[in-house]
Amino acid sequence: DTAVSQTPKYLVTQMGNDKSIKCEQNLGHDTMYWYKQDSKKFLKIMFSYNNKELIINETVPNRFSPKSPDKAHLNLHINSLELGDSAVYFCASSLDYRGLWGYTFGSGTRLTVV
Amino acid sequence: DQQVKQNSPSLSVQEGRISILNCDYTNSMFDYFLWYKKYPAEGPTFLISISSIKDKNEDGRFTVFLNKSAKHLSLHIVPSQPGDSAVYFCAVIGGSNYKLTFGKGTLLTVNP
Repeated sequence: DTAVSQTPKYLVTQMGNDKSIKCEQNLGHDTMYWYKQDSKKFLKIMFSYNNKELIINETVPNRFSPKSPDKAHLNLHINSLELGDSAVYFCASSLDYRGLWGYTFGSGTRLTVV
Repeated sequence: DQQVKQNSPSLSVQEGRISILNCDYTNSMFDYFLWYKKYPAEGPTFLISISSIKDKNEDGRFTVFLNKSAKHLSLHIVPSQPGDSAVYFCAVIGGSNYKLTFGKGTLLTVNP
């Protein structure tokens, strides 16, 4: 059983399209995250939700909208995709919002915008 | 501005020897430090952590050292094994929202 699963694993789409990435965790964790790993390999926080409540919202274009229907799911919707959105997006979860016992990451979604 | 710096993009070590991965941070208010390991096409995996009130934490072959005055931490792996070959990320937790900030990573290659 995969602890944090994201779908799809690969996504190739044209500029201007709207796409969604789904994430689910079966660990019973309270907090979920979206991270972006860009071409320079930096892993940067985008959003964090604790029990469906948004607690971290970094400087991310408002074309990106997270949605957490329940604490086991955190989806990422991206409108009007741009070339610069190409990256690997990682979903993660932690026991609580402090994350002191480490995060569990999904295997990533490689988004390519052409 | 990089708050967490891993100045060595890569490190190559012989199997059985010690691997030492280094990390510097800029903010003395950071209070929790972690190391993650990442294999290609997988997400990062939590390895070991240390709180700012300690200077050493050990877990099997992995030991993390924290030098608060120098704002420096290091991860020691001994003995190194070929399966340890991966990218190692240093990360810090700080701020009222406990944000986790990563360094750029160091690619460790352990040669048989």
